[in-house]
Amino acid sequence: EAQVTQNPRYLITVTGKKLTVTCSQNMNHEYMSWYRQDPGLGLRQIYYSMNVEVTDKGDVPEGYKVSRKEKRNFPLILESPSPNQTSLYFCASSPTSGRYNEQFFGPGTRLTVL
Amino acid sequence: AQRVTQPEKLLSVFKGAPVELKCNYSYSGSPELFWYVQYSRQRLQLLLRHISRESIKGFTADLNKGETSFHLKKPFAQEEDSAMYYCALPIMNTGFQKLVFGTGTRLLVSP
Repeated sequence: EAQVTQNPRYLITVTGKKLTVTCSQNMNHEYMSWYRQDPGLGLRQIYYSMNVEVTDKGDVPEGYKVSRKEKRNFPLILESPSPNQTSLYFCASSPTSGRYNEQFFGPGTRLTVL
Repeated sequence: AQRVTQPEKLLSVFKGAPVELKCNYSYSGSPELFWYVQYSRQRLQLLLRHISRESIKGFTADLNKGETSFHLKKPFAQEEDSAMYYCALPIMNTGFQKLVFGTGTRLLVSP
């Protein structure tokens, strides 16, 4: 089944403990992106990637890192998580970065930082 | 600045009533807009896009450049339409797409 997968789906951690949220797609998509969803703020883009080894900042990149070593994977790294990074995170992919392309979303990862 | 505004956090209607979810945008170029929907316990998915000019699940949306709006409409709401709806504007930044979302409107359709 063509899809975007994320792991873990739920995570509770403590301030400062490094964590990685994985994202993988099996559709051979070039474009991948990370969003965070917060009440009253909707979805905001954290980072995106046009292709392997090509990434760029979105609107809220502070405190996050990403890498794109393989086309199918786009992990989100929180080097030193803080409570303000408690949020619902979505990974998405699309065939290319063209304006008319639909983005396919993962199921979400709910992160709580204590 | 490029922005998408959805003024209503919650829209509550009865089954069979008409529905209009508002979306206004701010964009200096020629806009392309989407509506995404998130049903309970499901992932976010595309509902419809302006360029396709299609009707999906009875929903339509017309781009009004004069009013900078892309309102989502359905003449007769169904209970299964209850969901979170997001209007989204793709922005090209140095050749890469950034998708700017509105804050979302929760539609609640009561029997």
